[in-house]
Amino acid sequence: ETGVTQSPTHLIKTRGQQVTLRCSSQSGHNTVSWYQQALGQGPQFIFQYYREEENGRGNFPPRFSGLQFPNYSSELNVNALELDDSALYLCASSLRLGGTDTQYFGPGTRLTVL
Amino acid sequence: DAKTTQPTSMDCAEGRAANLPCNHSTISGNEYVYWYRQIHSQGPQYIIHGLKNNETNEMASLIITEDRKSSTLILPHATLRDTAVYYCIVRVASPPVYNQGGKLIFGQGTELSVKP
Repeated sequence: ETGVTQSPTHLIKTRGQQVTLRCSSQSGHNTVSWYQQALGQGPQFIFQYYREEENGRGNFPPRFSGLQFPNYSSELNVNALELDDSALYLCASSLRLGGTDTQYFGPGTRLTVL
Repeated sequence: DAKTTQPTSMDCAEGRAANLPCNHSTISGNEYVYWYRQIHSQGPQYIIHGLKNNETNEMASLIITEDRKSSTLILPHATLRDTAVYYCIVRVASPPVYNQGGKLIFGQGTELSVKP
């Protein structure tokens, strides 16, 4: 059983650019959640995708968007990058069957915006 | 805002038990207590979760008080590799499909330092 993987590991962009981060869910999982973790802070919820539809969103502007594909992998897209978008971006996958689902995290993508 | 309160930092001697407390006085009847840990610059690692009974797995034990207003995570024999930030999170047991998806709300956590 493979775990959650993310790519790329590190990324450097300049202000105003766009970025796409990728996440492969753990085998058998149908739900992906994305989190942003600024330096020295706990992760903050961006949004979640369940069966290819957005299923809840945190306090992030529309320039943060995402996709979930039929194989349950996912992308996080950020447009018009700002310096404050520099952070560790984490995805977490889970299996929702009803009842509580446990989220398992990937290693993260470190984004630096210059 | 996080619904839990944890000490900012703790130390533990290698080989001894590490007992990490968490207060969640406003927990609801349908909310679980989850614990994750995060080693520097890595993704959070799931440790354990429970509703009202004590739980144990290969990593740790979770002791929840009878009134469910607090809990303790126990690492029975701490090693240097257990040095990490430990997060205690309260989360609804059965998140509705279209209601924030049962998001995890992280606080600042407890920075545990295991020393030789």
